[in-house]
Amino acid sequence: DAGVTQSPTHLIKTRGQQVTLRCSPISGHKSVSWYQQVLGQGPQFIFQYYEKEERGRGNFPDRFSARQFPNYSSELNVNALLLGDSALYLCASSLTLLGTEAFFGQGTRLTVV
Amino acid sequence: GQSLEQPSEVTAVEGAIVQINCTYQTSGFYGLSWYQQHDGGAPTFLSYNALDGLEETGRFSSFLSRSDSYGYLLLQELQMKDSASYFCAVRVNTGNQFYFGTGTSLTVIP
Repeated sequence: DAGVTQSPTHLIKTRGQQVTLRCSPISGHKSVSWYQQVLGQGPQFIFQYYEKEERGRGNFPDRFSARQFPNYSSELNVNALLLGDSALYLCASSLTLLGTEAFFGQGTRLTVV
Repeated sequence: GQSLEQPSEVTAVEGAIVQINCTYQTSGFYGLSWYQQHDGGAPTFLSYNALDGLEETGRFSSFLSRSDSYGYLLLQELQMKDSASYFCAVRVNTGNQFYFGTGTSLTVIP
């Protein structure tokens, strides 16, 4: 079975631009969460979606938004990119809303120049 | 808010036992997870403790004391492949939302 897949794997954007990152959860998993990991730090929670509804949001500005589709895949959008948005963006899926084990994808490495 | 503390670096000898501690302060607490992350890789789930006590999974064990806001990950029979970063993460509500510590870089030496 395929694990969590994210695309693209690497991305370079210019400050002020917008970016969309994509995530496909493990088949049958209905919960998708997004994390930002800055080099040398732990992942920081951005969003959780379950059954297409936002179920949690971390301490990130409104420039960050996300959605989940009927097939449970998800997109993370970041507008008005700042240099500080450069990070590894990780997507994690779990079977249910209450799932204690999250399966992470390999992430999208975003570089803002 | 949430605050988690872990040692930044630990070095141990192949075949030995190492314990990585985690103390936390959170506004809500439902459980403590541990994840392993190799350089350039995705975090991989190791364990989850919701109740006090020790959970054992092969060479890895995890302990939680809710009254002390403290947990640890115990790695036995260390192997070179165990060299990685280890993160504790607290679950602060009933959703799948985890807040991670800054990680402990474990180096296993021959």
